[in-house]
Amino acid sequence: SQTIHQWPATLVQPVGSPLSLECTVEGTSNPNLYWYRQAAGRGLQLLFYSVGIGQISSEVPQNLSASRPQDRQFILSSKKLLLSDSGFYLCAWSAPPTGPNTEAFFGQGTRLTVV
Amino acid sequence: SQQGEEDPQALSIQEGENATMNCSYKTSINNLQWYRQNSGRGLVHLILIRSNEREKHSGRLRVTLDTSKKSSSLLITASRAADTASYFCATAEPRGGNKLTFGTGTQLKVEL
Repeated sequence: SQTIHQWPATLVQPVGSPLSLECTVEGTSNPNLYWYRQAAGRGLQLLFYSVGIGQISSEVPQNLSASRPQDRQFILSSKKLLLSDSGFYLCAWSAPPTGPNTEAFFGQGTRLTVV
Repeated sequence: SQQGEEDPQALSIQEGENATMNCSYKTSINNLQWYRQNSGRGLVHLILIRSNEREKHSGRLRVTLDTSKKSSSLLITASRAADTASYFCATAEPRGGNKLTFGTGTQLKVEL
């Protein structure tokens, strides 16, 4: 069966520090991968999505970047965090475009607080 | 930018009542999906309706899709306190590998 792992669950970082959030998927090949951010009490904002290794689409200009060094690994990074980067970050995967279903499976999320 | 907008933003009902949430979207889609999120957790997929379908059922859930109006509704019948959560619609677009874009969500509270 497929599983998705996202860590850490919570993170407190000072302004100006770097960030690295990692997400890995098991039990599937060539998944679509997503990073979303959710502000408190708000909807999900799509930050990045990837349809393959090294293929990253950025949805919103921001202080963040994403990389996909391996098929089932998706990393969200920042060189210098801003206060506005605080939020709840969610990683997700879905079946490749040729699959019959495109439902997304989410990790448990990372609560990032920039202080 | 958000593809979907949900209405209402918040809904409070009594246990046993039905809850209806609506979602509107802007572009053409392959399918529309509904998700549930308990506070501080990841999202869980509830139901998917394809663009050529008009209605779909799953247990106490009923989803409708009107592609001419670019809208969908989620009906939860005989609600329970455990249904308290946020509910989001998401659309899969034909381009970009069925990229999923989420709406703003409806916060449902079911009171005893």
